[in-house]
Amino acid sequence: KNEVEQSPQNLTAQEGEFITINCSYSVGISALHWLQQHPGGGIVSLFMLSSGKKKHGRLIATINIQEKHSSLHITASHPRDSAVYICAVTPTGYGGSQGNLIFGKGTKLSVKP
Amino acid sequence: NAGVMQNPRHLVRRRGQEARLRCSPMKGHSHVYWYRQLPEEGLKFMVYLQKENIIDESGMPKERFSAEFPKEGPSILRIQQVVRGDSAAYFCASSPRVSSPLHFGNGTRLTVT
Repeated sequence: KNEVEQSPQNLTAQEGEFITINCSYSVGISALHWLQQHPGGGIVSLFMLSSGKKKHGRLIATINIQEKHSSLHITASHPRDSAVYICAVTPTGYGGSQGNLIFGKGTKLSVKP
Repeated sequence: NAGVMQNPRHLVRRRGQEARLRCSPMKGHSHVYWYRQLPEEGLKFMVYLQKENIIDESGMPKERFSAEFPKEGPSILRIQQVVRGDSAAYFCASSPRVSSPLHFGNGTRLTVT
């Protein structure tokens, strides 16, 4: 079993729909990251969070430390949101460095016009 | 302020040759991380470096792979005597402080023929 599991693996939505991507992890963490990988391959860091909720534009990320679960929500989805969304965690015990990450396999999102 | 720069974007090497991948972190960032994304697989942490020091190389293959981040110049990931299994996308990320969010480069896609 992977230490970071994402669901769904693939997701197709119509433009305007509300989207939720889930991430569960099985290790102790100091932070959880949501990343976006575009079809061209580049990676953008969307959120880094260790508790509660963060919002940036149409994107919302939440984390429940007790349940070891995080969700990424996209409101009013748009075709330009089509990408692979990757959940990653910084396990505890690495001196606080955020970069020693364990990655999920990603959720491929396709938003149709 | 330019983002994290990786070059080359694409690199083709024959089996047995050496591959050198470069990563210039964002200005003011002294922490550099390298990751590998094998075809159809998730990202995996390889190595974490600060200026002139390797901090964590727990994800690096024991043979043929090495990394450096000299006082001047970019960080280099070096793969000696490449094999077909080394074909992958290699990403680097940087941060200004150990607990800061990461900024990713666009990756180098290595193809070994």
